[in-house]
Amino acid sequence: GAVVSQHPSWVICKSGTSVKIECRSLDFQATTMFWYRQFPKQSLMLMATSNEGSKATYEQGVEKDKFLINHASLTLSTLTVTSAHPEDSSFYICSASEGLDSTNGFFGPGTRLTVT
Amino acid sequence: GQNIDQPTEMTATEGAIVQINCTYQTSGFNGLFWYQQHAGEAPTFLSYNVLDGLEEKGRFSSFLSRSKGYSYLLLKELQMKDSASYLCAVRDSNYQLIWGAGTKLIIKP
Repeated sequence: GAVVSQHPSWVICKSGTSVKIECRSLDFQATTMFWYRQFPKQSLMLMATSNEGSKATYEQGVEKDKFLINHASLTLSTLTVTSAHPEDSSFYICSASEGLDSTNGFFGPGTRLTVT
Repeated sequence: GQNIDQPTEMTATEGAIVQINCTYQTSGFNGLFWYQQHAGEAPTFLSYNVLDGLEEKGRFSSFLSRSKGYSYLLLKELQMKDSASYLCAVRDSNYQLIWGAGTKLIIKP
């Protein structure tokens, strides 16, 4: 099946710093990428949907100036958590698909962010 | 509002069969997905249903009834490695994925 990679797999940063997470589709062109956040023992929460070459669409309650998403190519999307705070500590997962009507969904392995 | 319901937790015995139900109320329907998620890992895709009926894939099968807003995931010949959370997600008319909270499946020897 299709492969989606994420980097880094885990990161620890100090409060107030920024962290960039990369999501790559390795063997297909991802027209659409989704960014999720998952707190312990909770379900996935969609943060934003990004389409290659256009601005991301953010879910209600997600600050677009804090969570910067760039989807500059068909194989790469980045999420930057700016001025991170301890409450931003979470498991961040990206999902990539060839289009909104794709019949499958492939997730990256996730990035565990801990803000101290 | 949009809603996906699935049981919070289920327990089954190794070698047995378990059925995880999912009911949904969404604005439109463009397919239903089942994912498996082991603790601390990202979800992995299991199945996709868009037409009524049963889709079989090895030990896993998924059923859909659009008129009833109902799906189930059937796991046969359960193995210890099947212990995980199983997430049901429905794609609505805007092609947004609406997620259930997941069912934690515990397999006992």
